[in-house]
Amino acid sequence: AQTVTQSQPEMSVQEAETVTLSCTYDTSESDYYLFWYKQPPSRQMILVIRQEAYKQQNATENRFSVNFQKAAKSFSLKISDSQLGDAAMYFCAHQNRDDKIIFGKGTRLHILP
Amino acid sequence: DGGITQSPKYLFRKEGQNVTLSCEQNLNHDAMYWYRQDPGQGLRLIYYSQIVNDFQKGDIAEGYSVSREKKESFPLTVTSAQKNPTAFYLCASSNFGTFGAFFGQGTRLTVV
Repeated sequence: AQTVTQSQPEMSVQEAETVTLSCTYDTSESDYYLFWYKQPPSRQMILVIRQEAYKQQNATENRFSVNFQKAAKSFSLKISDSQLGDAAMYFCAHQNRDDKIIFGKGTRLHILP
Repeated sequence: DGGITQSPKYLFRKEGQNVTLSCEQNLNHDAMYWYRQDPGQGLRLIYYSQIVNDFQKGDIAEGYSVSREKKESFPLTVTSAQKNPTAFYLCASSNFGTFGAFFGQGTRLTVV
């Protein structure tokens, strides 16, 4: 079964600090993609970062990076130098080769000034 | 500009009526999706379609129906059989191997 689990419903971090959001997934496939999406109060879904399963190197996008552990089926998101604009819901997602995309329940991130 | 258009943004219907949510994309994506979002539930997959005239049930398809007559369009009908239709609905499109799913702005459906 294709599943995505985010075990942290809410997290808080001090502005300028670093925070890590956790995500685990399950799949029987070997070829797939993983994503982190941000949903601000506007509810528009914004792609933050993606990881291809066959690439061992962890993806990075400016202050956002992932720790991809394929054997453990873990895909955490690290946000460095947290900014007030980072406050949002964050969703982890998994896409198989059959195009099915499954999302986790999300983590609400609060940034403390 | 390429993107996904969902309409309308807000929709109100009386209980017992069917209602159709529109989703159009001009990104030339093969796959399209419908998700439902409720507080604390994340995004739950209702239906998805990989190609024209074909679609697959997601985790919560009961009470919903879809069609895919054109590559660009994937309308969702919320039927009277859906017990709790009030929710925020998101449409998306994607091609495997590209930059994930692109989303519309969503439709907030309220059934009274």
